[in-house]
Formats: sequence, C-alpha cells, structure tokens
Amino acid sequence: DTEVTQTPKHLVMGMTNKKSLKCEQHMGHRAMYWYKQKAKKPPELMFVYSYEKLSINESVPSRFSPECPNSSLLNLHLHALQPEDSALYLCASSQRTGGFEQYFGPGTRLTVT
Amino acid sequence: GENVGLHLPTLSVQEGDNSIINCAYSNSASDYFIWYKQESGKGPQFIIDIRSNMDKRQGQRVTVLLNKTVKHLSLQIAATQPGDSAVYFCAEIDQAGTALIFGKGTTLSVSS
Repeated sequence: DTEVTQTPKHLVMGMTNKKSLKCEQHMGHRAMYWYKQKAKKPPELMFVYSYEKLSINESVPSRFSPECPNSSLLNLHLHALQPEDSALYLCASSQRTGGFEQYFGPGTRLTVT
Repeated sequence: GENVGLHLPTLSVQEGDNSIINCAYSNSASDYFIWYKQESGKGPQFIIDIRSNMDKRQGQRVTVLLNKTVKHLSLQIAATQPGDSAVYFCAEIDQAGTALIFGKGTTLSVSS
C-alpha cells in the first residue's frame, strides 16, 4: 500500500469556524508533512513531523495547528482562517526526513468564505 | 537563498515527440533531487529521483540529467503521450536536509 489518504476532499468554511483536515498513511513512514498549494504555484512546506514530533514549522500562523496522534495519522486543525488561506492542502509522507521519496495525498481543497 | 526554478512555465509538444523540461537550482550543497508530476485535481506524483553522486538516471520512458557544474537538472520524456500532460515540478532537499523545496513548475501540454 503506497497510498496517502486525505479527508475531506473539499471543505468550505467560514472565518469563525473550526475544522480539521485529516491525513493517513500505512507505509510505516516516520516523516509526515503538510504543504499549502495555491493555484498554479508549487507546494509550500508548512510543517514537518519526524517520529511523531514536530520538527519544522515554517513560520505558519497559529490559526493552523498540526497534530500527529500516532505514526500513521496527521491532522491539521483550522480556526479563524482568512479568505487568503483558501488553497489546496497536501499531506505527504516519507520513510524518514531527508533524501527519501515523499508520497503525496490527493489534497483537500479548502475554501474560506 | 535556496531556490529551485524552472526555465519555462509552459511546453507544448506533439504526441510521440520527446520532451525536455529544465530546472535550475541554486544550492550547490543539495544532494538529492526529485521530479514530480501533478495532474489537475491531484497531488504530486513521484516520477524519478537522482542523488548528487550521479549525473544520469533512467526510468521507464523518463531520464533525469544532473549537471552540477551549472546547477541544472532536466527531465526527458521519450515518446510523449497525451497522458503525460500535467505540471512538472523539480524539487531539491533543503540545506538542513529535511524538507523539499519545489521549483516553479512547467505545464506540459501534449496534443495528438
């Protein structure tokens, strides 16, 4: 199984809502990532978890809160988002951080109204 | 700073032609590079990778060339097919050796 799954596929939320994005992999990977991708742009790294510990936070606003409950799951909790946060949110995993292939999920298309 | 970029934002080819997509990188210490393909509505899909101790690596219908002297990476697709139409990103490992930095992307359009 070389699949990374993400739910939901689409999400529309208001600026006062609280929602969560979920990501799951069963490849035994110990590194998991959140990326944000705007239309026609490359993915931009947000967070890196290594062995379930947050190892990189790329100066992401606190309205985005990641969580790694176990080695297979990665969540991104959203609160008080802005319309400019509308984007495709991609989850990825790799065997470890560093020079290893990252497998990407299909993404969650988020629209903030 | 670290930067991975692409020479052309778009490339149009005929079915059956060979395609070459180029990428320039700035971090001479990078030792790992990947090419990803992203189709509309999907996440990036791994195509091929190469480490800095190599200058060429071949996969099925794809070849990646690495020229460390001029910090240039290219992806060659043989006998391009309509299903190859997508955005192609090159990526390199950052200086900390932890995360990928993506280039701007090239949109490949294949007409039959």
